[in-house]
Amino acid sequence: DAMVIQNPRYQVTQFGKPVTLSCSQTLNHNVMYWYQQKSSQAPKLLFHYYDKDFNNEADTPDNFQSRRPNTSFCFLDIRSPGLGDAAMYLCATSGPPLAGGETQYFGPGTRLLVL
Amino acid sequence: ILNVEQSPQSLHVQEGDSTNFTCSFPSSNFYALHWYRWETAKSPEALFVMTLNGDEKKKGRISATLNTKEGYSYLYIKGSQPEDSATYLCAPMTTDSWGKLQFGAGTQVVVTP
Repeated sequence: DAMVIQNPRYQVTQFGKPVTLSCSQTLNHNVMYWYQQKSSQAPKLLFHYYDKDFNNEADTPDNFQSRRPNTSFCFLDIRSPGLGDAAMYLCATSGPPLAGGETQYFGPGTRLLVL
Repeated sequence: ILNVEQSPQSLHVQEGDSTNFTCSFPSSNFYALHWYRWETAKSPEALFVMTLNGDEKKKGRISATLNTKEGYSYLYIKGSQPEDSATYLCAPMTTDSWGKLQFGAGTQVVVTP
């Protein structure tokens, strides 16, 4: 089945130690998104890729970076995790928004714990 | 950033009872409203995409209505079952934000046998 896969499901890292979360998709979608969701809050968009075009949200901290080496894979790098970065990180994909392709398909998320 | 409000934040329903909850959003530049269901340990799953004022969508025992002029949507669950337990997220999409989804914090539904 076509899907969005996130690894690992749970990630524990130390304060200040770089960590990478990964996402892959078999849907061949143009757009890939990374969201951060803290407890009981709305998922917050960090950035998205439209093909190779990277789009950062204005309030995304510089500590968060992303890479998309090909259509299928996208990575979220947190350069120096702080305690406030502990959250669920969701990856999603879609076709071109505002052209009928805007339904987003989500992975199960990676829960990040920072010690 | 849109102000998207979902209420209540959580609710407990007895199996077999029906329930409903609300998503409120600014009505300007409206393009579409998405509803997602997110069960624990699973991926958020798209339920509905609604675009027209007065739209009604139905999927099994779950249905939704949309009022774009006043900026709200209701989601209804008829005859709740334990498998309906999940967090239900709404996300409006506007024409001036490239079509990005702006999620609410969700309504957590717990259905008890």
